[in-house]
Amino acid sequence: GEDVEQSLFLSVREGDSSVINCTYTDSSSTYLYWYKQEPGAGLQLLTYIFSNMDMKQDQRLTVLLNKKDKHLSLRIADTQTGDSAIYFCAESRGSGYSTLTFGKGTMLLVSP
Amino acid sequence: GAVVSQHPSRVICKSGTSVKIECRSLDFQATTMFWYRQFPKKSLMLMATSNEGSKATYEQGVEKDKFLINHASLTLSTLTVTSAHPEDSSFYICSASPPGQGGETQYFGPGTRLLVL
Repeated sequence: GEDVEQSLFLSVREGDSSVINCTYTDSSSTYLYWYKQEPGAGLQLLTYIFSNMDMKQDQRLTVLLNKKDKHLSLRIADTQTGDSAIYFCAESRGSGYSTLTFGKGTMLLVSP
Repeated sequence: GAVVSQHPSRVICKSGTSVKIECRSLDFQATTMFWYRQFPKKSLMLMATSNEGSKATYEQGVEKDKFLINHASLTLSTLTVTSAHPEDSSFYICSASPPGQGGETQYFGPGTRLLVL
């Protein structure tokens, strides 16, 4: 099965909060990431969290990590139409240039 | 900071030809770069880890003779798709980790869309 799983689609209205969820299986994950991919473009690192943290906030973005349940979420406050994109959850195991394992991505559609 | 570029952004080639994709770290030196492949509606799959001055490390199932990787300098890695076939059509993305961040933060290039006819 997949090591990192995400729901495939989320639709919200502009101004609402969006919550994108991710689960992972490897308890040795050290860093967990959220990347944003706009159509036809590469990936933009949004934020990341170290596995010994349970929350990280960066402007409109809030990352919550439940290490016991291996559950990661990304909350986008006051979602804008420009936030419409695919959001990838990823995890890395170990330290120093370790490779990333990605989920399949959640497509976020923000309607006016 | 931490900008990674790729060239070309898109390329169309005939079956049987070879295509070279460049990945550059513009404002930092990267001893390690990564090459990913993304299929439509699918996640990114790591193809190989490119190490400056040494051979690349390929993931299981990736043909090293077909996907040639050269990391000749601290700011440039190239991926050459040799004897390309239509099934090689995909979106190829590279990434690099700036020094001093423990190698844990990867910054991605904008990707190269390859179409093999």
